[in-house]
Amino acid sequence: NAGVIQTPRHKVTGKGQEATLWCEPISGHSAVFWYRQTIVQGLEFLTYFRNQAPIDDSGMPKERFSAQMPNQSHSTLKIQSTQPQDSAVYLCASSFPGDAEQFFGPGTRLTVL
Amino acid sequence: QQKVQQSPESLSVPEGGMASLNCTSSDRNFQYFWWYRQHSGEGPKALMSIFSDGDKKEGRFTAHLNKASLHVSLHIRDSQPSDSALYFCAASEATGNYKYVFGAGTRLKVIA
Repeated sequence: NAGVIQTPRHKVTGKGQEATLWCEPISGHSAVFWYRQTIVQGLEFLTYFRNQAPIDDSGMPKERFSAQMPNQSHSTLKIQSTQPQDSAVYLCASSFPGDAEQFFGPGTRLTVL
Repeated sequence: QQKVQQSPESLSVPEGGMASLNCTSSDRNFQYFWWYRQHSGEGPKALMSIFSDGDKKEGRFTAHLNKASLHVSLHIRDSQPSDSALYFCAASEATGNYKYVFGAGTRLKVIA
């Protein structure tokens, strides 16, 4: 089992550019979560899907951020018009159906110049 | 105010010693707790969950939950240098597939 796979591991964008982050959950896991980690804010919940359906996006900035889960094998987090304050490690996690334990990927470190 | 508060911010213990970490939820909706550990460059990994009052032991790790005060602690016995990491307390509203609210973390350093 390869665990949760996140690509790319590092991404550098210029201010105003778009960034798309990919997450492949563990096979058989039906819940996918996105979190953001910064030194200042710590670990913050962004959004999550259950059986590919969006359940809670209360942590997502209303502008510029969007997430999708087009099939059970991957989810994407898209940030349009990136800003320096978007610089963070973006973590994806997945869980078995009905199980509370979340398995985290290694994260994607996004740097916006 | 953060819903989940952790203390101390950092902690140093000698190898073989006991490390004690604390966590309190200020929101009664978030009363199911997990402890996660994160080594540098990696994602957090679950250590253990605790959902009921009392103690729960897994190897060198013991968690204690007081539901009345929503206080949970983690005690690491016989600390090893490999235990040096960032420890997070996470709280959720239920035991199924629900989001976590994380504390700010405690950085533990075990000195050989």
